[in-house]
Amino acid sequence: GAGVSQSPRYKVAKRGQDVALRCDPISGHVSLFWYQQALGQGPEFLTYFQNEAQLDKSGLPSDRFFAERPEGSVSTLKIQRTQQEDSAVYLCASSLARGTSSYNEQFFGPGTRLTVL
Amino acid sequence: KNEVEQSPQNLTAQEGEFITINCSYSVGISALHWLQQHPGGGIVSLFMLSSGKKKHGRLIATINIQEKHSSLHITASHPRDSAVYICAVASSNYKLTFGKGTLLTVNP
Repeated sequence: GAGVSQSPRYKVAKRGQDVALRCDPISGHVSLFWYQQALGQGPEFLTYFQNEAQLDKSGLPSDRFFAERPEGSVSTLKIQRTQQEDSAVYLCASSLARGTSSYNEQFFGPGTRLTVL
Repeated sequence: KNEVEQSPQNLTAQEGEFITINCSYSVGISALHWLQQHPGGGIVSLFMLSSGKKKHGRLIATINIQEKHSSLHITASHPRDSAVYICAVASSNYKLTFGKGTLLTVNP
């Protein structure tokens, strides 16, 4: 089956614009994660969904960042009034995890490279 | 201090050399990932392990839970192995903490 897909792969925005990044997880995967990867750094956790419930949004850097997964499948990460420091690769991952107490392997998408001018 | 430290940050090798990348972490974990990221590409999971050793082709990953240390070895390295290798630890049942990555360049 298909892996995790993300669109667009590349996005250039002018400072102040709003952007929306899409993630299609692996079919049947309950959990979905967003990560932000600045240039030369490792990814950093942004937020986590289990089905449509956003269980952890502690990594979102400001209230300009908003994520949703209304039907428990596709997710959108929205960034309002983009700033230059938002330039990064945004990675999405999904896992099968069905509320178990142990870690379930995450599968990553190709990422969306956002450049804010 | 980062919770996950990788060394070296950059590594250049000649084709055929044996390569080791190290990862140390400071928190209790339930699992550790070794990930590969090519320029402009997404992240591919090479290994997920919580104890002992795993082998896949020319790649070997080991972990020592007591010492909070893991290593990724590449035998008979090849230019196509050139990529960023990232160590990530799961300190809960879902949250991953990543190292900064090791940029490996294998020259022909």
